[in-house]
Amino acid sequence: EPEVTQTPSHQVTQMGQEVILRCVPISNHLYFYWYRQILGQKVEFLVSFYNNEISEKSEIFDDQFSVERPDGSNFTLKIRSTKLEDSAMYFCASSEGFATGDSGYTFGSGTRLTVV
Amino acid sequence: AQSVAQPEDQVNVAEGNPLTVKCTYSVSGNPYLFWYVQYPNRGLQFLLKYITGDNLVKGSYGFEAEFNKSQTSFHLKKPSALVSDSALYFCAVRDVNSGYSTLTFGKGTMLLVSP
Repeated sequence: EPEVTQTPSHQVTQMGQEVILRCVPISNHLYFYWYRQILGQKVEFLVSFYNNEISEKSEIFDDQFSVERPDGSNFTLKIRSTKLEDSAMYFCASSEGFATGDSGYTFGSGTRLTVV
Repeated sequence: AQSVAQPEDQVNVAEGNPLTVKCTYSVSGNPYLFWYVQYPNRGLQFLLKYITGDNLVKGSYGFEAEFNKSQTSFHLKKPSALVSDSALYFCAVRDVNSGYSTLTFGKGTMLLVSP
């Protein structure tokens, strides 16, 4: 069964450093997403991406965040200057479509980001 | 705006007994509803969905959920729980009419099945 692949599985970084979280969505999917889950809290939407541009973003997704699809397979989330409160599990997801009948998203296994 | 409420932080049930994990939602239009399960150190796995049609939907691992429009609920059920069902369960909603594909998740309910 097709999978969404995320790397690394765990990343530790110092406060103020830039990090790039990487994702390989399912190949025929057109919509890509980043969500995050702070430990013990609910899963929160960050951003959605379609046709090489951001289609929606949440209040969490401020100027220190950016997303990119640098080639035909990868989808990245960059945090420019990490803060302690950015420590969370970051999930990438992709979906086949937007229209009626889509089965929701396929999530990756996540990248646990720890900012120290 | 869309929202999801999972009123129970934790549900405890003995193996072999039926289980219910509760979920209520709020959307301005028609909902797409989903249940996901998260095992420790794993991603979110899709269990089942309601898009349209029969209010009782069946999903993976013997789980089912019933869509109740009047009560705006989508409770997850299983007739006979297994110890291996112990995990964190998330309900999610998407507003069909919103024009966006964003899912809004509940805070999750930990299901603990005792032997």
